[in-house]
Formats: sequence, C-alpha cells, structure tokens
Amino acid sequence: GAVVSQHPSWVICKSGTSVKIECRSLDFQATTMFWYRQFPKQSLMLMATSNEGSKATYEQGVEKDKFLINHASLTLSTLTVTSAHPEDSSFYICSARDLTSGVASGTQYFGPGTRLTVL
Amino acid sequence: AQRVTQPEKLLSVFKGAPVELKCNYSYSGSPELFWYVQYSRQRLQLLLRHISRESIKGFTADLNKGETSFHLKKPFAQEEDSAMYYCALSGGYSTLTFGKGTMLLVSP
Repeated sequence: GAVVSQHPSWVICKSGTSVKIECRSLDFQATTMFWYRQFPKQSLMLMATSNEGSKATYEQGVEKDKFLINHASLTLSTLTVTSAHPEDSSFYICSARDLTSGVASGTQYFGPGTRLTVL
Repeated sequence: AQRVTQPEKLLSVFKGAPVELKCNYSYSGSPELFWYVQYSRQRLQLLLRHISRESIKGFTADLNKGETSFHLKKPFAQEEDSAMYYCALSGGYSTLTFGKGTMLLVSP
C-alpha cells in the first residue's frame, strides 16, 4: 500500500515553456502533499507544502509564481513550472502523507521523481 | 530552526561488518525522526521511524534525546544494503527536514 506516482518520469522542454508534473496517491487519500527538488548528489530540498482545497505553503526562496501548485483532490497535486529556464532543470519529487496516519505524523510516501531538462 | 546533520558522505564497509550511520539533529521541541533509504534508480522509501521502535531489514535506530542523535545501526552489513540513507526530522507540521545523506557501500 501507500503508493505515490508521478507523471511524467522525465521531460525535456524549450526555455520559456511551461511544464506540468502530476503527483497521485494511488491507494490512499492525502490531504497534504509535498514537492521537493533534488540536485545531483544532493539531498532533497522542500519547495512547498500542498494542502487539498487551499493554497500551497512555499518555503523561503521558492517563487510561488514560478512554481504553481494545485491540489484539487485528495489524490492529486500538480506542480507547474512556468516559463522554464535552464536553471530550473532538476529532479522534482513529490510525496504524500496518508490521511489515516494522524495529524502529527510526519511519515511521507515518495513518488519516483520527474527529471526536468530545460534546453 | 530544525536541522539534521549526517557527518559522513560515504561509508564503505565489508560484508558482514557492523554498520553505524550517524545522524544528529537540532530541534527545540519533541521531534519525530526517520530514516529513509534510496536504492540505486529507485524512489525514496521509509526504512524506519523512531516512534515505531522497530527493526527493518536488520536495521535499528534509537533516539537519544540527550545527545540529540538518531544513529542507524546494523550488526552485519549485506551487499544489498548498499544505498543512499537519509535521516529526516519532522517538527510537528508534518514537513520533513532531511540530512545531506550518507552513501553506504558494502563490498563482498
């Protein structure tokens, strides 16, 4: 159980275009999903916390107009990288918290990640 | 502010040797600590959490509040344990702060 999927697994786009990444919890409901960015050989950096039905909470230094997050249902959150530039190239990972795990639980289940390359 | 420190980037041991991956944290309240593992070309997956006090794949970790540590241990390493290990802390809002990770290499 507790499977999280991401689509696409990789994407290449031209500079200036927008890219949407989907994150789905397949067998559980997630009121909260998280978006991370991981640079090569580095740890995960939290970008934003996505709450179903409300605005996302962005970490300091993350441009909310650049990285649009929508959490329209209990099983789907999307990250749109708007007007992408080469410096946005990275590995984007989402995770989800199981609704039944309790309010205070920090356990997260991770998606496989999406490799974005901006030319 | 919460912080997680994993002092070793790389830990290389021989099969059958004991393993200890170090993790220290900084947090003013009562944290929830986790170890996540990432095998080659696979997603990050939960290994264990301190609340469960469980042993997974032979690994254990004890929360030491006095030393603010949550070291991961295994008495006899196996080749299949080779992976990237991340220590993570949750401070109550369910967000996770990750350490930089330690690569464990187990040689035959």
